[in-house]
Amino acid sequence: GAVVSQHPSWVICKSGTSVKIECRSLDFQATTMFWYRQFPKQSLMLMATSNEGSKATYEQGVEKDKFLINHASLTLSTLTVTSAHPEDSSFYICSAAARDLHRSPLHFGNGTRLTVT
Amino acid sequence: AQKITQTQPGMFVQEKEAVTLDCTYDTSDQSYGLFWYKQPSSGEMIFLIYQGSYDEQNATEGRYSLNFQKARKSANLVISASQLGDSAMYFCAMRGDQAGTALIFGKGTTLSVSS
Repeated sequence: GAVVSQHPSWVICKSGTSVKIECRSLDFQATTMFWYRQFPKQSLMLMATSNEGSKATYEQGVEKDKFLINHASLTLSTLTVTSAHPEDSSFYICSAAARDLHRSPLHFGNGTRLTVT
Repeated sequence: AQKITQTQPGMFVQEKEAVTLDCTYDTSDQSYGLFWYKQPSSGEMIFLIYQGSYDEQNATEGRYSLNFQKARKSANLVISASQLGDSAMYFCAMRGDQAGTALIFGKGTTLSVSS
């Protein structure tokens, strides 16, 4: 089945630094990838939709200059949290949709737990 | 706009019993998909079951079945013969039936299975 790999699984960084999270589709080409954020015991909130070769579409309230998304190839999307602050500490999880699977479930990475100290 | 409502923050069930997790939705789309995911404490999202809006039969996958009532806009998950390993957070989700559409999630239900 379709596999999405997300790296790193967890990261601790100091306030003011930047952190990059990678999301790869391992056995299918993902024209679209989605980035979600989840606070403890809450739901997954869509942050942005990443389209290969074009600019990401951000949800209302998500700072595009803070959460930089790059989808340079059909198998890789990256989320960079710039100038991280403690309030950015959260669980970030990516998912991917293959070209012909729009009626199929999205496949999720295992998520990244970010802690900003 | 699409919306998913899960009104049960927590549910408790004993092993081997069946449990129903409620989900209602709202959308103006004619064609859409409904999904249930399981999220254990490790955080991974595990796909359980899918129902298309035009599917006439209720979806089933092993111990999971989806009670789809289109007129009532409900898509309840039924887990039969609960197991201790079923303890997790369960999310109902929906997406429009177009390529590149994101999943929109409900708030989730925490299921606790006891022996």
